[in-house]
Amino acid sequence: NAGVTQTPKFQVLKTGQSMTLQCAQDMNHNSMYWYRQDPGMGLRLIYYSASEGTTDKGEVPNGYNVSRLNKREFSLRLESAAPSQTSVYFCASRAQGFSNQPQHFGDGTRLSIL
Amino acid sequence: DQQVKQNSPSLSVQEGRISILNCDYTNSMFDYFLWYKKYPAEGPTFLISISSIKDKNEDGRFTVFLNKSAKHLSLHIVPSQPGDSAVYFCAASPSRVGNEKLTFGTGTRLTIIP
Repeated sequence: NAGVTQTPKFQVLKTGQSMTLQCAQDMNHNSMYWYRQDPGMGLRLIYYSASEGTTDKGEVPNGYNVSRLNKREFSLRLESAAPSQTSVYFCASRAQGFSNQPQHFGDGTRLSIL
Repeated sequence: DQQVKQNSPSLSVQEGRISILNCDYTNSMFDYFLWYKKYPAEGPTFLISISSIKDKNEDGRFTVFLNKSAKHLSLHIVPSQPGDSAVYFCAASPSRVGNEKLTFGTGTRLTIIP
């Protein structure tokens, strides 16, 4: 059971390059999320998608775009990478329609911007 | 403004003893709380949750206590085992029905000493 799969696991970019982080879940969840984790900051929500075809900004959306390609896939794009976007990025998904369901996380993408 | 605070960055506990991890929140709209556990190079995994209509929830060795008046929750692990060594994140949501947006604390690194 794969759960939430993120690709790639590691990536190094130069400032100004673009990059798309991929996320797919096989749990038939409606909601999907993108977070970033920085030292001493916990996890901060970048964007989320409550259902296929909808996306909403989270706490730190600037510099990012997202696409909910279908129910399974939710991608995060950096159009012009900046060193401040060096972080570990986590994708998560959650079942809707049931109260108090937790979010399930992937293992993260470690992104370094030089 | 950190709405969910974990004031202890680290905690060391002897194997077999009780581990107590603390979390404070400031937003009165939060009414659903979760604890996640994270190992290095892995994504967070859901551990236990509590709704604001309860003051205690227990699952095996893990118990979460909620003090709404103090805006404080704690996670008790007893007895502590070496496999419990990880970073623990407290998270909060303003919705009892769903947790579309989670606000995370900065985490506490728990080390269990054999």
